[in-house]
Amino acid sequence: ETGVTQTPRHLVMGMTNKKSLKCEQHLGHNAMYWYKQSAKKPLELMFVYNFKEQTENNSVPSRFSPECPNSSHLFLHLHTLQPEDSALYLCASSQDSADYYEQYFGPGTRLTVT
Amino acid sequence: AQKVTQAQTEISVVEKEDVTLDCVYETRDTTYYLFWYKQPPSGELVFLIRRNSFDEQNEISGRYSWNFQKSTSSFNFTITASQVVDSAVYFCALHTGFQKLVFGTGTRLLVSP
Repeated sequence: ETGVTQTPRHLVMGMTNKKSLKCEQHLGHNAMYWYKQSAKKPLELMFVYNFKEQTENNSVPSRFSPECPNSSHLFLHLHTLQPEDSALYLCASSQDSADYYEQYFGPGTRLTVT
Repeated sequence: AQKVTQAQTEISVVEKEDVTLDCVYETRDTTYYLFWYKQPPSGELVFLIRRNSFDEQNEISGRYSWNFQKSTSSFNFTITASQVVDSAVYFCALHTGFQKLVFGTGTRLLVSP
């Protein structure tokens, strides 16, 4: 595998379900990010991890819970979501979040909350 | 505050036409970077270019070229002799430090045969 991978690619869940999104980067980067992409809205940064430490939580509701066990893996745990949380969730990585490095993105998980 | 504006929501061209995608940014920082990303239907954002605020030289990469003008706070992207495979949503983004990449709303480019 190369680049940034995300699983699953598609997910349908009910509002009472608990699920997790997984992201893995094979680029040797130290920073990882979660973004939310909704229709007709700019990409919204959700969380930033640098060297496994969370350095940014962009006022994200607690029903979204990130986890970064090491620099290569990032999870987004989901519980009691709302229909408005339906979106494309993108994971990205970069060399370091403290500088102006370009970010490399995964293909995203298309989430539908019913 | 940092902001990126891509006023063109959607552009349609016929193959082999040249097309320019506009990007206007706002920031009070003197050090910043500008980026362009391509998002094909598969969903993955593909990095195209990064420019820093101190380098106003235009850049050309194959059929792609970028025009950075600090005087008008613009970083426009031109595709020469467009192809169907260029059909995608293109995002301009601004990074002023503090870990945040601020994206525009994107321009959808449709290239028809």
